[in-house]
Amino acid sequence: GAVVSQHPSWVICKSGTSVKIECRSLDFQATTMFWYRQFPKQSLMLMATSNEGSKATYEQGVEKDKFLINHASLTLSTLTVTSAHPEDSSFYICSARGSLYEQYFGPGTRLTVT
Amino acid sequence: AQSVTQLDSQVPVFEEAPVELRCNYSSSVSVYLFWYVQYPNQGLQLLLKYLSGSTLVKGINGFEAEFNKSQTSFHLRKPSVHISDTAEYFCAVGKTSYDKVIFGPGTSLSVIP
Repeated sequence: GAVVSQHPSWVICKSGTSVKIECRSLDFQATTMFWYRQFPKQSLMLMATSNEGSKATYEQGVEKDKFLINHASLTLSTLTVTSAHPEDSSFYICSARGSLYEQYFGPGTRLTVT
Repeated sequence: AQSVTQLDSQVPVFEEAPVELRCNYSSSVSVYLFWYVQYPNQGLQLLLKYLSGSTLVKGINGFEAEFNKSQTSFHLRKPSVHISDTAEYFCAVGKTSYDKVIFGPGTSLSVIP
């Protein structure tokens, strides 16, 4: 139980286009999900907290107009990278808060912007 | 504000030898402490966590960690490592067991055959 999936696992897009990453809690409902970003050989940095039915809370320094987060249901949160540029290339990981008050991480999505 | 320090960025160790990965944290409030492992190109897997109670916490894959409040440390140990333990290890701190966590910079463990 308590599985979090991400789709796609790997995406390549051209500079200037937008890409959407999905985070799903497969066997539990998650009112809160978190989005992290990880650069190569570095740690994870929290980008935003996503709450179902409300606006996401972004960490300082994260551009909310560039990284659009939508948490439309209790099992799905999406992160859209708008007008992507090569510097947005990174590993994006989501996590979801489960009913037993645990946090479960997804497998990550590797974004490469060419 | 909370922060996490992992003193060793890389730790090479021979197979079947013991290993300790160090983690220190700072916080003005009580915190929960976690160790996660990340294999190449994969997400995070929870190794163990300290929420309260016994300061010695046992996790998966033979790992254990000891919480030391006076030294604000939460070092990870394993008595005998395997090749399959080669991975990145992250110490993390959070205010609760389910809220956002602050990650340390990570320690790359390389097990040498």
